[in-house]
Amino acid sequence: GQQLNQSPQSMFIQEGEDVSMNCTSSSIFNTWLWYKQDPGEGPVLLIALYKAGELTSNGRLTAQFGITRKDSFLNISASIPSDVGIYFCAGKSLWAGSYQLTFGKGTKLSVIP
Amino acid sequence: DGGITQSPKYLFRKEGQNVTLSCEQNLNHDAMYWYRQDPGQGLRLIYYSQIVNDFQKGDIAEGYSVSREKKESFPLTVTSAQKNPTAFYLCASSTAREANYGYTFGSGTRLTVV
Repeated sequence: GQQLNQSPQSMFIQEGEDVSMNCTSSSIFNTWLWYKQDPGEGPVLLIALYKAGELTSNGRLTAQFGITRKDSFLNISASIPSDVGIYFCAGKSLWAGSYQLTFGKGTKLSVIP
Repeated sequence: DGGITQSPKYLFRKEGQNVTLSCEQNLNHDAMYWYRQDPGQGLRLIYYSQIVNDFQKGDIAEGYSVSREKKESFPLTVTSAQKNPTAFYLCASSTAREANYGYTFGSGTRLTVV
């Protein structure tokens, strides 16, 4: 099946630092999504991207749909303790069925106060 | 408010017993999904259903069973054939159009075999 490579797998950062993570695919995607999962909870959608080159912000979060349509990036500025959790990328391939999303394995973020 | 509800939040099972995890949604979504999450493994698809009375195996269906008798409900049974059932289980839903807008997830059920 489809594979998404998400990196890094984990990050330890100081409060106030900026964070970057990315997701790459071997095939073209027409939708990129970024989710956050708090400990012990289900993932919640943060940002959705639908066009190559699109840059979208949600507060301190900014995500970009790569121009090759095979990658996406998520940046978090000025991290705070509540940013702790697992961040997942997800994508919908051009060739997938209408219901099918592919998920990355997640980036676990730890913030040191 | 519309949403997706999983119950119970925590579940303990003795080895050799079957157990059923509940998932109910009132979002009028057509499709529902079950994922298993283990540390460092991401989300792995167990089963999914696009319409009532129909469902398909995902990547790790062995040892699991599902039913979809109602649009709102998609229960997952973890059978005794599942060799390593201790995990966090997530249910999700979407419409065909809104797969582009992402899945809506429940808050999960943590299953522990004792």
